[in-house]
Amino acid sequence: EPEVTQTPSHQVTQMGQEVILRCVPISNHLYFYWYRQILGQKVEFLVSFYNNEISEKSEIFDDQFSVERPDGSNFTLKIRSTKLEDSAMYFCASSGRGVITEAFFGQGTRLTVV
Amino acid sequence: SQQGEEDPQALSIQEGENATMNCSYKTSINNLQWYRQNSGRGLVHLILIRSNEREKHSGRLRVTLDTSKKSSSLLITASRAADTASYFCATHNFNKFYFGSGTKLNVKP
Repeated sequence: EPEVTQTPSHQVTQMGQEVILRCVPISNHLYFYWYRQILGQKVEFLVSFYNNEISEKSEIFDDQFSVERPDGSNFTLKIRSTKLEDSAMYFCASSGRGVITEAFFGQGTRLTVV
Repeated sequence: SQQGEEDPQALSIQEGENATMNCSYKTSINNLQWYRQNSGRGLVHLILIRSNEREKHSGRLRVTLDTSKKSSSLLITASRAADTASYFCATHNFNKFYFGSGTKLNVKP
């Protein structure tokens, strides 16, 4: 069964450092998403991406964040200068065309900022 | 906010009992989906119900949707200890999915 894969599964970084979280969405999907979940809290929407551009983003997705689909298969989330409060589980998801579509999520990357 | 909100926040039952979780949301939706998350793990898609459907079944899962009340319920019948997890509803509207806070289900063997 096709699946969304994320790497790394766990990343520890120093405050102020840049991190790149990587995702390989399901190959024929057209919509890509990043979500985050701070420990014990809600799954929060960060950004959606379609047709090589951001289609929607939340208030959380400020100038420190950027997304890219560099080569047609990978989908990356970059945090430019990490803060302690960026520590969370980051989930990538993808979905197909249309409004009746489920989103498939990766297993997540646990980011710990120290 | 369009986010779904589940209740109860936590539910503890004995193995074999049924578990019912509810979700309410605020605006119109294309569809509503339920996901499961084991502690510290990823989100697993369980079932999708379209906005023009009222009920859907998948194995031991039964989902209902009442768009007039903007609410949905997830019923897990004959629960097992392995069903212990957090369950989230997610509403889909165009470019994103909104998640509720989840119901933490504990099934005691």
